[in-house]
Amino acid sequence: GNSVTQMEGPVTLSEEAFLTINCTYTATGYPSLFWYVQYPGEGLQLLLKATKADDKGSNKGFEATYRKETTSFHLEKGSVQVSDSAVYFCALSDRVGNTGKLIFGQGTTLQVKP
Amino acid sequence: DTGVSQDPRHKITKRGQNVTFRCDPISEHNRLYWYRQTLGQGPEFLTYFQNEAQLEKSRLLSDRFSAERPKGSFSTLEIQRTEQGDSAMYLCASSRTGGTPEAFFGQGTRLTVV
Repeated sequence: GNSVTQMEGPVTLSEEAFLTINCTYTATGYPSLFWYVQYPGEGLQLLLKATKADDKGSNKGFEATYRKETTSFHLEKGSVQVSDSAVYFCALSDRVGNTGKLIFGQGTTLQVKP
Repeated sequence: DTGVSQDPRHKITKRGQNVTFRCDPISEHNRLYWYRQTLGQGPEFLTYFQNEAQLEKSRLLSDRFSAERPKGSFSTLEIQRTEQGDSAMYLCASSRTGGTPEAFFGQGTRLTVV
């Protein structure tokens, strides 16, 4: 079956540090890939997405590249801010049946210290 | 557009009682999803509707759970004879169909069964 695995958290960084959160997936089909973010007290928000191999999704300084050969979609940011502190979820949507159903990883908590 | 709204935000109930949650999706979205999220985990898919039709149910959705979406607008999720293991955050999301639509999430209903 389809699944998503994220690196364990929490991740604690100083402001302006480089961020990488690893995400790998298993899928029987050819999924679309997503990163969602959950800020404290708020709902999940889409951060970025990629729909085919070698696509790069980007938003708010975050980037992730769809790597089919390594089944990965790692999230990166060159310089984190305190306001980036949140829980980050990697997710996939299998295009078989086109249901839009999302399968999430377990989430990675990021804490950025000033 | 006020986004996806869920009611109530918090619910504490005694074991064995029935509870019902409501989700109001974004008005032009014809797809509506329910997910369950337990502490430290990513959301898990429960069920989804396209308009008023319930098209898929997860094996996680036991016979005690039922969801409806009359008239293809708001949706309700009922849990009968609640158990302590039902304690979780219940998330609703909505999206359009076609392409790779973005799912918009509500803030969730946190259920505590005591």
